[in-house]
Amino acid sequence: GAVVSQHPSWVICKSGTSVKIECRSLDFQATTMFWYRQFPKQSLMLMATSNEGSKATYEQGVEKDKFLINHASLTLSTLTVTSAHPEDSSFYICSARETGLLGEQYFGPGTRLTVT
Amino acid sequence: KQEVTQIPAALSVPEGENLVLNCSFTDSAIYNLQWFRQDPGKGLTSLLLIQSSQREQTSGRLNASLDKSSGRSTLYIAASQPGDSATYLCAVRELKAAGNKLTFGGGTRVLVKP
Repeated sequence: GAVVSQHPSWVICKSGTSVKIECRSLDFQATTMFWYRQFPKQSLMLMATSNEGSKATYEQGVEKDKFLINHASLTLSTLTVTSAHPEDSSFYICSARETGLLGEQYFGPGTRLTVT
Repeated sequence: KQEVTQIPAALSVPEGENLVLNCSFTDSAIYNLQWFRQDPGKGLTSLLLIQSSQREQTSGRLNASLDKSSGRSTLYIAASQPGDSATYLCAVRELKAAGNKLTFGGGTRVLVKP
């Protein structure tokens, strides 16, 4: 099956710094990628939908200036958490959808972010 | 707005028992429904995907049913094993043109005791 990778798998950063997380579709082209956040013992909450070559669409309540998303190619999307704070500590999961509105969606392994 | 609910939130059974996990959704205009497994600290593993026109899907010990009109899906895991311990998530994809997003339920945490 299709593979989605994320890097890094875990990261620890100091409060006030920025962290970039990469999401790659390894063997397929993904016009659309999704970024989710998951707090402990909770389900996945969609943060934003990223479309290649255009601005991301953010869900209500998600600060676009804090969570910068770039989808520069059909295989790579990045999420940058700017000026991170301890409350941003979470598990971030990306997902890539095969080209086409009804293409199947594949999930990455997640990135554990801890802000100290 | 689509809402997906999973009951129970947690389930503990002895090894060998059958597992029954429930998922309900409020808007029946879905394209498909998918069941995932998530191990602690890991990403999602897709288990079964049921298209809206289908009533069930089977894979090994897993069977998922879909009743779109009543907004329900059930995941059955036969003869549970300790390795089945994980969180199980259901998600629906709607037919709406705007992004066709997946909406997730809260998950059911399963513990199978040896």
